[in-house]
Amino acid sequence: DMKVTQMPRYLIKRMGENVLLECGQDMSHETMYWYRQDPGLGLQLIYISYDVDSNSEGDIPKGYRVSRKKREHFSLILDSAKTNQTSVYFCASRSGNTLYFGEGSRLIVV
Amino acid sequence: GDSVTQMQGQVTLSEDDFLFINCTYSTTWYPTLFWYVQYPGEGPQLLLKVTTANNKGISRGFEATYDKGTTSFHLQKASVQESDSAVYYCALNVGDNSKLIWGLGTSLVVNP
Repeated sequence: DMKVTQMPRYLIKRMGENVLLECGQDMSHETMYWYRQDPGLGLQLIYISYDVDSNSEGDIPKGYRVSRKKREHFSLILDSAKTNQTSVYFCASRSGNTLYFGEGSRLIVV
Repeated sequence: GDSVTQMQGQVTLSEDDFLFINCTYSTTWYPTLFWYVQYPGEGPQLLLKVTTANNKGISRGFEATYDKGTTSFHLQKASVQESDSAVYYCALNVGDNSKLIWGLGTSLVVNP
């Protein structure tokens, strides 16, 4: 069964703190994604990774960076979190043209 | 550019009602079209997909037909249940592009 795991599931951070969201998949999928989901805005693509150390900006990359040192892991990093980065973040991996999503990480920045 | 439009932000129905969620798309390429469903507290998951080759997708009682003439890919279900309450996303993929183009989602609420 294809599974994408996100950690942590819930996180509260103060403005200016660093945030690390981690994502793992055990299917050896090459392509992985980070999205954020906000009410009324749907799913917005932050970054896409085509394989280890092969990452591209999505539609809203500002304020975020990513790291992919192993095919199975894809991290999203917020350096100096801002209140407008409060959101639910989803990681996904791709098999064929189907995306498999994790359960999400809810980040609150206060 | 490529785009997907879901005009209905929320649909409220009673059990056993007929469901129709509107989705239209725009692309100059041959698309693969998707419906994803997101249940509360979960990530989106694929409900069904259709290519220009197979025209119609059916899954779990839902169906969607790709209509090139009207560039539409509406989602239908004959009789909804309370457990169908979720957010439904229409999405578009063209060629070998890794990016999906997403609609804004339609929240379905089914009352018992």
